[in-house]
Amino acid sequence: AQKITQTQPGMFVQEKEAVTLDCTYDTSDQSYGLFWYKQPSSGEMIFLIYQGSYDEQNATEGRYSLNFQKARKSANLVISASQLGDSAMYFCAMREPFTGGGNKLTFGTGTQLKVEL
Amino acid sequence: GAGVSQSPRYKVAKRGQDVALRCDPISGHVSLFWYQQALGQGPEFLTYFQNEAQLDKSGLPSDRFFAERPEGSVSTLKIQRTQQEDSAVYLCASSPGQSLWETQYFGPGTRLLVL
Repeated sequence: AQKITQTQPGMFVQEKEAVTLDCTYDTSDQSYGLFWYKQPSSGEMIFLIYQGSYDEQNATEGRYSLNFQKARKSANLVISASQLGDSAMYFCAMREPFTGGGNKLTFGTGTQLKVEL
Repeated sequence: GAGVSQSPRYKVAKRGQDVALRCDPISGHVSLFWYQQALGQGPEFLTYFQNEAQLDKSGLPSDRFFAERPEGSVSTLKIQRTQQEDSAVYLCASSPGQSLWETQYFGPGTRLLVL
């Protein structure tokens, strides 16, 4: 069963507009972390924003905010005032503990965002 | 400060060749992860090190894949007898500790093409 679901393979947004990228997750753990990464065509994974399962307030980092709805198990990324440089693949990921120590990230399939003039 | 570095950035191998991919994590980072990213997909977990200990290798697809981190810093992912299905980008990431709340910082990846 997929743990991270991103239902939008591709999204278009006009420059200076806001866009929401959807992410739902599945876990039975009470403690987990949710992350969003940006992957431009050059290939590097760039960390954008983090939300902990116990955080009561939605995370914000500059133009990025995370709309965290724990009961619905959703962690949507909102990008405000889109810029041409925001065109990239965006991945939602969850970090959860596993037995034996440590933890790992489980990624969704990504959303390709294209910002247009 | 220096980020995570990986070498080589690109590798072309003939089917059946052995390859070794190197990862230099951020200095002092305890945790090191390897992920495999197939074309058009999200990264998938391969293995995890805490210092020199390999605590999880459940994601390694076969016994042809082997990873080590002998001194708790640099790590090498080795693939023996490469197959075409091994073609992918191999990403290395590190984090300061092992907390769920810590960000994993990724290197630029090694793009492996097996012919």
